Amino acid sequence: DGGITQSPKYLFRKEGQNVTLSCEQNLNHDAMYWYRQDPGQGLRLIYYSQIVNDFQKGDIAEGYSVSREKKESFPLTVTSAQKNPTAFYLCASSTGTGRLDEQYFGPGTRLTVT
Amino acid sequence: QKEVEQDPGPLSVPEGAIVSLNCTYSNSAFQYFMWYRQYSRKGPELLMYTYSSGNKEDGRFTAQVDKSSKYISLFIRDSQPSDSATYLCAMSANDMRFGAGTRLTVKP
Repeated sequence: DGGITQSPKYLFRKEGQNVTLSCEQNLNHDAMYWYRQDPGQGLRLIYYSQIVNDFQKGDIAEGYSVSREKKESFPLTVTSAQKNPTAFYLCASSTGTGRLDEQYFGPGTRLTVT
Repeated sequence: QKEVEQDPGPLSVPEGAIVSLNCTYSNSAFQYFMWYRQYSRKGPELLMYTYSSGNKEDGRFTAQVDKSSKYISLFIRDSQPSDSATYLCAMSANDMRFGAGTRLTVKP
């Protein structure tokens, strides 16, 4: 089956710890994205990558880091510097390198930091 | 003012009703318009993708774009309980922007 997988589905961490969220796709898409979803707000872009070994900050990159060592993988690290990390995190990918292309989403990871 | 405004609802309708979901936007540069459906605790799935003004129909779903009014709509005919979800509008120019989502419940 082609698609985007995110793991784990639920993640719990103590304040002050870094945590890494996994995102893998086997759609052969060039571009990958990380969003954060909070109640009552639209999806907000954290980071995106259009090609391997390159990525760009989105609207709310502070406190997050990413890597893109392989086309299939785009892990997101939520660092202790992120002031309000509890949220639903969504990974997406798209066929083209333009950010206008329709995006396909993974199932999401719900992160709770206490 | 947000670039994309979407009434969060919740919206509750009886089975078989026609549902109208709407978004307004302020950036006249938006050219691509999308609707996503998101079930609880799942990722959004793309429902409709349209370019510029006009209508697009896919089964029970119709997407409508009125660029002169900066207004887009999604109509669902003969709504079913399985349509119960949050519907997100999205639009793009240089960047993709999402609405906050409208939560829809279709009651049997």
